[in-house]
Amino acid sequence: NAGVTQTPKFQVLKTGQSMTLQCAQDMNHNSMYWYRQDPGMGLRLIYYSASEGTTDKGEVPNGYNVSRLNKREFSLRLESAAPSQTSVYFCASQTLGGEAKNIQYFGAGTRLSVL
Amino acid sequence: GEDVEQSLFLSVREGDSSVINCTYTDSSSTYLYWYKQEPGAGLQLLTYIFSNMDMKQDQRLTVLLNKKDKHLSLRIADTQTGDSAIYFCAERGTGRRALTFGSGTRLQVQP
Repeated sequence: NAGVTQTPKFQVLKTGQSMTLQCAQDMNHNSMYWYRQDPGMGLRLIYYSASEGTTDKGEVPNGYNVSRLNKREFSLRLESAAPSQTSVYFCASQTLGGEAKNIQYFGAGTRLSVL
Repeated sequence: GEDVEQSLFLSVREGDSSVINCTYTDSSSTYLYWYKQEPGAGLQLLTYIFSNMDMKQDQRLTVLLNKKDKHLSLRIADTQTGDSAIYFCAERGTGRRALTFGSGTRLQVQP
């Protein structure tokens, strides 16, 4: 059982390049999330998807787009990368109700540097 | 908006107890969580507590919640070097789908 899988693990981009971060979960969760982690700032929500076919903005959505391709996959796209987007990106998926109490499960992260 | 605050750093000796503190502002918080992040890894859920509970114990971990003061703590008994990591407090308010995270407390365990 892989849980939440993110690819790639590392990426270096030049300013203005585009890329897509991939995320897939095999736990049959409805909700999925993208966070960014910056030093001393904890995790900040970029976008989330409550269910297949829906997406909503989080705290810091500017410069990003997302696609909920199906129930398993939720991708994050940087159309024109900027140095301010240098960060570690985490994808998460969430259980709903019951004994699991809305727990979020995280991938291992993508470390992105924009030069 | 909602805010979660933690101290940045804690250093303890192996075998001692560690207490990591967290304060939050959202009075509608329903669940509060503790996550652990080891170097180069994602966040791993350690434990959680429902807002109508005062305490939850799970092996070496004890969570205390003071809802009146909006204060949450995580006590790790008999701290080991393998406990060295960053610990994040997070909360979820009523009706909100996303978690609000603190900035994390780096725990250093010295042999």
